[in-house]
Order: sequence, then structure tokens, then C-alpha cells
Amino acid sequence: EIVLTQSPTTTAASPGEKVTITCLASSSVSNMYWYQQKSGASPKLLIYSTSSLASGVPDRFSGSGSGTSYSLTINTMEAEDAATYYCQQWSSNPLTFGSGTKLEIK
Amino acid sequence: QVTLKESGPGILQPSQTLSLTCTFSGFSLSTYGMGVGWIRQPSGKGLEWLANIWWDDDKYYNPSLKNRLTISKDTSNNQAFLKITNVDTADTATYYCARIPGYWYFDFWGPGTMVTVSS
Repeated sequence: EIVLTQSPTTTAASPGEKVTITCLASSSVSNMYWYQQKSGASPKLLIYSTSSLASGVPDRFSGSGSGTSYSLTINTMEAEDAATYYCQQWSSNPLTFGSGTKLEIK
Repeated sequence: QVTLKESGPGILQPSQTLSLTCTFSGFSLSTYGMGVGWIRQPSGKGLEWLANIWWDDDKYYNPSLKNRLTISKDTSNNQAFLKITNVDTADTATYYCARIPGYWYFDFWGPGTMVTVSS
């Protein structure tokens, strides 16, 4: 099973600040996917195939990486971006999610 | 537009079988490459993938739960199902179904259904 380790576990950012969340895989994966989950809501797809923005997602979000190291970046933090973010891989079975990064607004 | 909605018993007792239904619209599970997956989330915790089913009836299960899971579909009625046998309190969670758009991720999710296992 590929284990995905996210860092930081929790972080806070001021409006306008740049935020980077990292996802490290225990083995190489071909792609990474990112979801945003706001309190009380279901997860929402943000990034697919490592760096492609899902439909309707603001372009302040971006994804990058390869091999075992991937990241999600929010270029300029906005209050509505406060949420928990999860990475996900499916390069090998079972499909696994990272443990999540909680992002708060300062 | 694509929508999914989960339904379940709400509460059940240990050792019972949990039956969940995902009713969806805006796509068909007879379309090449399309799939539906089930994911759960205990309150305050992370996401755990359970199982996926594809248009051609191919199925994948999480090995940690495989012996207890059965996924199936009713293409004509736009529904997917998940059964979990012999539940215990560790199965208490919100259960989500989500669409797999022919690739290796979930692009639309249902609102989730809460399931509590309690005696």
C-alpha cells in the first residue's frame, strides 16, 4: 500500500499570503489528485493529474510534482480557502488518501 | 448536471449488514470508462476508500475490508450499492459515493450519509 504523508498537518495563513501543502508518497506514483473539504461538506475535486485544474476552481490554486513528492499551492490565500485538503493516489491498489492538511485563515 | 445521493439505514447494530445505495443522475454507468466509488469518513477523521465499480462490472476493493464488502450496480436505474457485513462501532462514519470519470479520481461527490453502529 502506498502511504501518503501530508505536511503540514495544520497551518494558518493571512489573506494574500502564499500557501504550499506537500504530499510525500512512500513509493513513486504517476499522478496526484487534490481535494478540498470545507466543514460539514463533502470533498470537492481541485486538481487532477498532478497539475490540471478542475472545472470552476480558481486559478490561484495550482499543483505540481513528480515521483514521490507533490504539492498544492494557493497563490494568494482568501478566507474562503479555509478548509482541509487531501491528496490521493491511484497508481497502485489500494487507492489511498493523505491524512489531510487543515488550513485556517489568520 | 451530475448529481449523486447516498442513502442508508442511519443506525444499525453490531454484527448486522450495512446496505448503502447511491442514486445518481447526469451520467450513465453503461458509458465506457465510467465508474462509481465508495469512500467513508469517521467524524473528525480522514477519508478511507472502500470500493469501486466500473461500466463493465469490473470491481476493486480495499484489501483491508475486502472480505466484508460487496459492490454492485443497477445500470437501468442509475444506482450503485455497497454492502458491508458484520459491522462494528469502527464502521461508524459518513459514507460518500462519487463518480469516477474514466480516470483515477473522483470528480463529483454526493453529500454523504451518516451511519452509526451502536448497540
